[in-house]
Amino acid sequence: GAVVSQHPSWVICKSGTSVKIECRSLDFQATTMFWYRQFPKQSLMLMATSNEGSKATYEQGVEKDKFLINHASLTLSTLTVTSAHPEDSSFYICSARADYYEQYFGPGTRLTVT
Amino acid sequence: AQKVTQAQTEISVVEKEDVTLDCVYETRDTTYYLFWYKQPPSGELVFLIRRNSFDEQNEISGRYSWNFQKSTSSFNFTITASQVVDSAVYFCAYSSSNTGKLIFGQGTTLQVKP
Repeated sequence: GAVVSQHPSWVICKSGTSVKIECRSLDFQATTMFWYRQFPKQSLMLMATSNEGSKATYEQGVEKDKFLINHASLTLSTLTVTSAHPEDSSFYICSARADYYEQYFGPGTRLTVT
Repeated sequence: AQKVTQAQTEISVVEKEDVTLDCVYETRDTTYYLFWYKQPPSGELVFLIRRNSFDEQNEISGRYSWNFQKSTSSFNFTITASQVVDSAVYFCAYSSSNTGKLIFGQGTTLQVKP
């Protein structure tokens, strides 16, 4: 099956710093990638849709200036959490769309902001 | 707007019992997809099944079975003869045919006790 990786798998950063999370489709090309956020004991909420070569589309309530998404190639999308604060601590999961309806999820990145 | 509801927050069963996880969705779309995912403590989402709105056939895969009923907008998941390894959070999700975005239910935490 298709494989999606995320790096790092976990990260601890200080409040006010920025953190970049990478999402890679290892054995297929993904024109569309999605970023989800999951707070402890909650469901996954879509943050944004990332399309290769174009600007990301953010869901309502998600600050696009805080969560910068870049999808520069068909196999890589990055999410940068700028000026992170403790409330940004969460589990961030990406998925890559292989075809019309099939999505493959990465293993997730656990972000802790101290 | 589309919505997915998993009314059962937590379920606890004893090993070998059968258990059904409920999922109800709301939509006005005529074409859509429904999914079930398993999220073990590691956090990585495990794909279980995808169903499109035109296929109401029930499906069985080993100890897992799914019952899709458009008349009641339900897509329930049954585990037969549950095992401790089935302990996880299970998510039901919806996707319209053209966006690929997944809308997740709140999740059901299943605990299978030995």
